[in-house]
Amino acid sequence: QVQLVESGGGVVQPGGSLRLSCAASGFTFSNYGMHWVRQAPGKGLEWVSFIRYDGGNIYYADSVKGRFTISRDNSKNTLYLQMNSLRAEDTAVYYCAKVTFASGDYVSSSGAFDIWGQGTMVTVSS
Amino acid sequence: DIVMTQSPDSLAVSLGERATINCKSSQSVLYNSNNKSYLAWYQQKPGQPPKLLIYWASTRESGVPDRFSGSGSGTDFTLTISSLQAEDVAVYYCQQYYTTPRFGQGTKLEIK
Repeated sequence: QVQLVESGGGVVQPGGSLRLSCAASGFTFSNYGMHWVRQAPGKGLEWVSFIRYDGGNIYYADSVKGRFTISRDNSKNTLYLQMNSLRAEDTAVYYCAKVTFASGDYVSSSGAFDIWGQGTMVTVSS
Repeated sequence: DIVMTQSPDSLAVSLGERATINCKSSQSVLYNSNNKSYLAWYQQKPGQPPKLLIYWASTRESGVPDRFSGSGSGTDFTLTISSLQAEDVAVYYCQQYYTTPRFGQGTKLEIK
């Protein structure tokens, strides 16, 4: 079945780095754009980043721009999020999510988020 | 940025009764060339990831019970649960994907 499994979360000190991974299965990963979304404890959903199906057209939320880097390896069916210069306010569960429509060039043409992983917790604390 | 505002923040409804959640966008999310509103609704139960319920403002995702329906266009949208079931207790989020995605703050739905 269609599945996304995140990994790489943990506890890191402020200013530190972490790389999250999202392993995809059950669909043709290279045809679909992907998102990262985070949720701070007890809070709502915050979109983080998008990458087009082929690795082009990358977007970031202002809150992470310049610190986080999204990438993908279509040969490994895996999505990544490199997080640098981490801050306490980055503490959250991080979800990867698949878009609804294949081959979308932009966020709008890719549609809503139809499959989500279970999430991986990132805690930034000294 | 298009800001999404939901109302109410929380809602208590009796089993079998109708639940209505509203969502307003700060700018239109209607794309005139295809007459579609780029608006989705998600359900999130405790300890679980969000689940897509509705996209294009009114298209039900496969497998979603037909008691869930979405309506609206442009800037004003509504999610309706026609007959509340116990398993519908959750937080509901609207989201625009017209531009860089943005979620509403969430509406917590409980049983009265």
